[in-house]
Amino acid sequence: EDQVTQSPEALRLQEGESSSLNCSYTVSGLRGLFWYRQDPGKGPEFLFTLYSAGEEKEKERLKATLTKKESFLHITAPKPEDSATYLCAATDLNNDMRFGAGTRLTVKP
Amino acid sequence: NAGVTQTPKFRVLKTGQSMTLLCAQDMNHEYMYWYRQDPGMGLRLIHYSVGEGTTAKGEVPDGYNVSRLKKQNFLLGLESAAPSQTSVYFCASSLGTRNQPQHFGDGTRLSIL
Repeated sequence: EDQVTQSPEALRLQEGESSSLNCSYTVSGLRGLFWYRQDPGKGPEFLFTLYSAGEEKEKERLKATLTKKESFLHITAPKPEDSATYLCAATDLNNDMRFGAGTRLTVKP
Repeated sequence: NAGVTQTPKFRVLKTGQSMTLLCAQDMNHEYMYWYRQDPGMGLRLIHYSVGEGTTAKGEVPDGYNVSRLKKQNFLLGLESAAPSQTSVYFCASSLGTRNQPQHFGDGTRLSIL
């Protein structure tokens, strides 16, 4: 069965302390790996799509990478405004999309 | 540009009552989706639509019905609400295939007593 697992469930960082969030996936023929940001009381907001192993995408302090088994969201020198829940999702050969449960990131000033 | 708008934002129902959640998008997207989000679990797809007049079942369709009479609207119905349907419901849309980024509304928080 297709699965998307995110770790850790929660992460607390000091402002400026870089770290990475992990998204492991087991899907039949990955077609796309998506990262979203979700603020409390809001819907997910799209960040990145990665389509093949080795691909990388960057946006401000965020960088997403993809291997054949997992994706990482690297956060460099985070700020308090980066606090949110980060979701990843993977689509398989049938374009069925499965979401992970998310990593709740808190950045303290 | 409003994007994806969901109404209502909050609702409390009694077991056995029915209701309809409305989703409207102004981006001319072909695909629309309904998800539920529960604590500790990822978003789970309830139903989706690949165009006006079409609907298809997702991962957790039981107890829900949907309709897409107009391209910009996607309705989610609960015919006889159950406490297990207490959740946050999100509507989303995407331009073309299901392998494209989805744009989400801000959710409807539904409690079934």
